[in-house]
Amino acid sequence: GAGVSQSPSNKVTEKGKDVELRCDPISGHTALYWYRQSLGQGLEFLIYFQGNSAPDKSGLPSDRFSAERTGGSVSTLTIQRTQQEDSAVYLCASSLVINSGANVLTFGAGSRLTVL
Amino acid sequence: GEDVEQSLFLSVREGDSSVINCTYTDSSSTYLYWYKQEPGAGLQLLTYIFSNMDMKQDQRLTVLLNKKDKHLSLRIADTQTGDSAIYFCAEIDGGFKTIFGAGTRLFVKA
Repeated sequence: GAGVSQSPSNKVTEKGKDVELRCDPISGHTALYWYRQSLGQGLEFLIYFQGNSAPDKSGLPSDRFSAERTGGSVSTLTIQRTQQEDSAVYLCASSLVINSGANVLTFGAGSRLTVL
Repeated sequence: GEDVEQSLFLSVREGDSSVINCTYTDSSSTYLYWYKQEPGAGLQLLTYIFSNMDMKQDQRLTVLLNKKDKHLSLRIADTQTGDSAIYFCAEIDGGFKTIFGAGTRLFVKA
């Protein structure tokens, strides 16, 4: 697509429920990133994919968080048994990785998650 | 691990210059970036600098890099109310992981 698309744009859920957030990257972009933006916490790295594999999962806050990417394209971030502290904006970005060049990320508008 | 630090707020008057500062820890960073986030939107790349450069200018934007002190700054000349946003400094590690600072919220007073 023309840009990075995220859905849903807004999600309100009850504590304890599972949620799935979807990211559709720019066509042809090999790298895909998930970040979390909380009020006053800046931009927290969660995970990134190179193709379908995730070389770095170090930012996932707990085992309730998981992510997958299929076909080198769409990615899903799943949060199980949501807690109130999971409330944040989840941002997805993609990039066309060029070894000798700058790795410029294109961001989606984000999915705002509110856990009641 | 990698870390990027920047001050949280900056307030300037319209027409003045704004200088946003950032420090980073990863000396192997090949590129350093400035991204801008307007309200309700994702981040957009403003500019970036290769680590073997010490200055880059792009219209009203000037980026200065002091690699020895691991200090990066962004200067916006003739700041306008439309420049009000959050500005993020970022570095990339030896691979393709981009680490962002907490963001500096720029307020421009008319």
